[in-house]
Amino acid sequence: EIVLTQSPGTLSLSPGERATLSCTASQSVRSKYLAWYQQKPGQAPRLLIYGTSSRATGIPDRFGGSGSGTDFTLTISRLESEDFAVYYCQQYDTSPWTFGQGTKVEIK
Amino acid sequence: EVQLVESGGGLVQPGGSLRLSCAASGFSFSSYEMNWVRQAPGKGLEWVSYIKSSDSTVYYADSVTGRFTISRDNAKNSLYLQMNSLRTDDTAFYYCARGLSSGWGLDYWGQGTLVTVSS
Repeated sequence: EIVLTQSPGTLSLSPGERATLSCTASQSVRSKYLAWYQQKPGQAPRLLIYGTSSRATGIPDRFGGSGSGTDFTLTISRLESEDFAVYYCQQYDTSPWTFGQGTKVEIK
Repeated sequence: EVQLVESGGGLVQPGGSLRLSCAASGFSFSSYEMNWVRQAPGKGLEWVSYIKSSDSTVYYADSVTGRFTISRDNAKNSLYLQMNSLRTDDTAFYYCARGLSSGWGLDYWGQGTLVTVSS
């Protein structure tokens, strides 16, 4: 099983700041099989990024994804109030597909 | 509008069974791969199972293999998860989620149904 480790566990930032979230895989993940999700309290997750760097429909361009191999990054260029949430990475390269444990982005 | 509505959750004793359903609308259900994902209260996401659009290809998380069975009825636009030999650590919100038509990701999710396994 591919284990995804997200860091940091919690990110405390102010609106307007840049957020950088990391997802490290225990073995190599092909780029087209890495996705990122956002989840707010009481809501279902929302797809942000697929294929490492492609934004899903309706996702603003302040969200960006990058990486390859075992190291992937989600970047939020300027945090808006609605971006404070929990973020998960997920790999589809090898079954069982797995999620990272999540990074919470909170208001500082 | 794409909609996914889960049902069938509830309280069940350890060792018991439950069948979850997901009613899909607003898209051509038979053309899409579908998944179940769960989330224990206050915890992270755990992928549970996948079924391909038109054939019998299925995958399961190690934690549910041999106990859970995913299936679909394309004529009824419905996805199912039969859960047997339930354990207390299966307690979670269960979401059905649609796979992207092009690429890998889950682009639409239901609101979830809560399964509580307790004596």
